[in-house]
Amino acid sequence: KAGVTQTPRYLIKTRGQQVTLSCSPISGHRSVSWYQQTPGQGLQFLFEYFSETQRNKGNFPGRFSGRQFSNSRSEMNVSTLELGDSALYLCASSPSEAIDTQYFGPGTRLTVL
Amino acid sequence: QKEVEQDPGPLSVPEGAIVSLNCTYSNSAFQYFMWYRQYSRKGPELLMYTYSSGNKEDGRFTAQVDKSSKYISLFIRDSQPSDSATYLCATGAAGNNRKLIWGLGTSLAVNP
Repeated sequence: KAGVTQTPRYLIKTRGQQVTLSCSPISGHRSVSWYQQTPGQGLQFLFEYFSETQRNKGNFPGRFSGRQFSNSRSEMNVSTLELGDSALYLCASSPSEAIDTQYFGPGTRLTVL
Repeated sequence: QKEVEQDPGPLSVPEGAIVSLNCTYSNSAFQYFMWYRQYSRKGPELLMYTYSSGNKEDGRFTAQVDKSSKYISLFIRDSQPSDSATYLCATGAAGNNRKLIWGLGTSLAVNP
């Protein structure tokens, strides 16, 4: 089975712009979660989608949003980018709610200048 | 104080050494504990998962949880250069399956 894929792998944007990141989960997985990883804060949970519905949300401002399509693919959007949004954005998919079934993609490295 | 503390290292050991990686946590509501391994330019992959105090073994890896002292450890026996990676501990409370609290990760280098 193919793993979780994320596109693009690298992205450079300037402050004030918006960005959309894409995640294709493992075939058959209906849950997709997004995380932000930075050296100072580590991994932080952004949100989780299951069957096109947001099921869980972390403590991030409203500039961070996401959605899931009927084929389980997911996108996350960050509007009005700030320098502090520079991070590795990871997507993880899961076939169930079980905590030990998350499979991570390689991430999208976002740099905000 | 962060809810999960983890020494970032870097930790450098010779091949064959026993490696000990540790995390402490502050919230007694945390009920499950996980260790992930992250290679450079890759996403984390789950190594060990446990929800009880005590030891859990899987091959060369042993996860240890002491809920009374809020301390979790990962031991790697007979370490190999392929174990060189960043190791992340994560924990969470029941009912918040995805809202894991993560340590910052410990960078490990195993030298041949």
